[in-house]
Amino acid sequence: DIQMTQSPSTLSASVGDRVTITCRASQNINYWLAWYQQKPGKAPNLLIYQASSLESGVPSRFSGSGSGTEFTLTISSLQPDDFATYYCQQYSSYSITFGQGTRLEIK
Amino acid sequence: EVQLVESGGGLVQPGRSLRLSCTVSGFTFGDYAISWFRQAPGKGLEWVGFIRVKPYGGTTEYAASVKGRFTLSRDDSKSIAYLQMNSLKTEDTALYYCTRIGSYCGGDCYSDFWGQGTLVTVSS
Repeated sequence: DIQMTQSPSTLSASVGDRVTITCRASQNINYWLAWYQQKPGKAPNLLIYQASSLESGVPSRFSGSGSGTEFTLTISSLQPDDFATYYCQQYSSYSITFGQGTRLEIK
Repeated sequence: EVQLVESGGGLVQPGRSLRLSCTVSGFTFGDYAISWFRQAPGKGLEWVGFIRVKPYGGTTEYAASVKGRFTLSRDDSKSIAYLQMNSLKTEDTALYYCTRIGSYCGGDCYSDFWGQGTLVTVSS
């Protein structure tokens, strides 16, 4: 299976900050990567697919970049609603795998 | 409005079976593959498997942790997908989600809509 490693595991930030979460794949996944946001007690919500394509209805402060083995999710200006856990997911192979998650906390 | 609703979860003893259902509305069920995920309490997301659309044979793929024990199926006439879980283990305890993905699961194998999940607890 392709291993996905996210960093950091926890991130403390303030409203208005620019934050970046990194996801590394154990092998080349081209751009077959998605990012999800999950809030407590809720199902995950798709933010980004194909590494950099913004899902419909997702605020433009979210952006994704990268290809191959290294990817980033950037939130340009944190809003109160953005404090949540974020997961990257690769779908390059039929054995889909996720990163372990990044918990974004209020500083 | 696209909706996926899981049902069938509950408390089950190790070694027993359970069948989950995923009832969808708001889109043409037969045009989309369905992928299942699970999340153990306080843990991250784990893919379980997916089932493609009928034109692609309705073929399935499974995670190694469930292969041979879990079986996916679909009834396009009812817009329902099923996850049959046999030989359940305590480590299968999790919230199970069904999701909508692209028809084949190639470059479109990301989940754009999720159900709310159904809890499966495997315990004696």
